Formats: sequence, C-alpha cells, structure tokens
Amino acid sequence: EAGVAQSPRYKIIEKRQSVAFWCNPISGHATLYWYQQILGQGPKLLIQFQNNGVVDDSQLPKDRFSAERLKGVDSTLKIQPAKLEDSAVYLCASSITSGRDEQFFGPGTRLTVL
Amino acid sequence: AQTVTQSQPEMSVQEAETVTLSCTYDTSESNYYLFWYKQPPSRQMILVIRQEAYKQQNATENRFSVNFQKAAKSFSLKISDSQLGDTAMYFCASGNFGNEKLTFGTGTRLTIIP
Repeated sequence: EAGVAQSPRYKIIEKRQSVAFWCNPISGHATLYWYQQILGQGPKLLIQFQNNGVVDDSQLPKDRFSAERLKGVDSTLKIQPAKLEDSAVYLCASSITSGRDEQFFGPGTRLTVL
Repeated sequence: AQTVTQSQPEMSVQEAETVTLSCTYDTSESNYYLFWYKQPPSRQMILVIRQEAYKQQNATENRFSVNFQKAAKSFSLKISDSQLGDTAMYFCASGNFGNEKLTFGTGTRLTIIP
C-alpha cells in the first residue's frame, strides 16, 4: 500500500514570495490533515479536511495561508506572502475516517524562508 | 483547550535497557484518546501506541507499553529491551471524541546507545 506522498521535499524562498505544497493521501482515506512543525516543537494542526469539506481550520493564518481539497483526494497548501516565521516542516497526514484513527504521515516539506 | 506536556527534552539509554518517557495532559473532556508517535531521523512519523481514556487496561504493543493514570492525567511510554532502531523523537498527543483535532507535545529525543 502506497503511503502519503508530499512534494516538494525541500523549498527555499525569499520572504514575501508565494509557495505551494502538494499532498496525496493514502487511497480511501477520508480525512486529511496539514500540520506545521517548527524546529524543536511538536506538529501543530493547520487544517483538517473530511472528504472535501473543512472540519477545523482554527489555527490556519487565513490572511496568508490557504488550502483546498477539491475532489476529496489530494490537497494543496499555499502560503502567500511568506514570512520568515513560516520556516518549518509542513506535514501532511491522512486517516481512514476521523482523528481518533491512526494518522499516517507523509515525509514532509521543509520550507526555508530567507 | 487541550495541552500536552513532555518534560524530558532528551533522554539516552543503553541498548537492551528499559526507558520510560513521560507525558502529562490537560483536558476538560471525559471522552478522549491518547497516542504516542515516533519520528525517526528520516522524519516520517509513525504511530507507536494508542489508548482510549474509557479503557482501564493499559495498552501494549510488543516492547511498548503505557502507564495510563487517568486521575493524574499522566500517560507515560515504556520501551523494554530498547533497540538501536528506537532512536527517534517521541511525541505524545491527545484528542477528544467529537472534536477530532490532535494536540501534540513538544517531544522527547531518545537516543539508544550501542
């Protein structure tokens, strides 16, 4: 069974530029999560989708971050414009139904904002 | 809001020894669940063990077991017969039934010494 795929693996941008991350969850998983993991900290949930609907985006900085999961499968997370403090690893995860299920994580995208 | 506290930023033990990682949490909910996730140096996070709060019996998975003290809001992870492959960051996480968002602790970096 293929795992959660993410691309790119690494990205370096200047502040105020835009960047987009892509995630393809495990086939059949209804729930998809985007986390931000700043160095030395645990993952922080940015947004959670159930199929193509948003379940929780309370910690998403909506003035600069956006995410979509149009067909209930893969998802993109965008930052526009990026700030220095956005430097982090962005993790995508998926689970069969809900947050109480095991979450399967992708390898992450390491973003560096200069 | 939930909080998860891991008070041991780093630990190291000799191979084959037993080690216990600490975690405390704070929630006002009565129905919740707890996880330990492992993040090896390659950064892909995987589930180690899961405990639902209504279950009194401590969860076990081979060499991994938990000591769940509900009244004290404590959820420690014991690794027996530690192996070099156990070297990783370990994150404790909690979530509530109904609100499926997971809250992660800051992690404990565990090093197994040959």
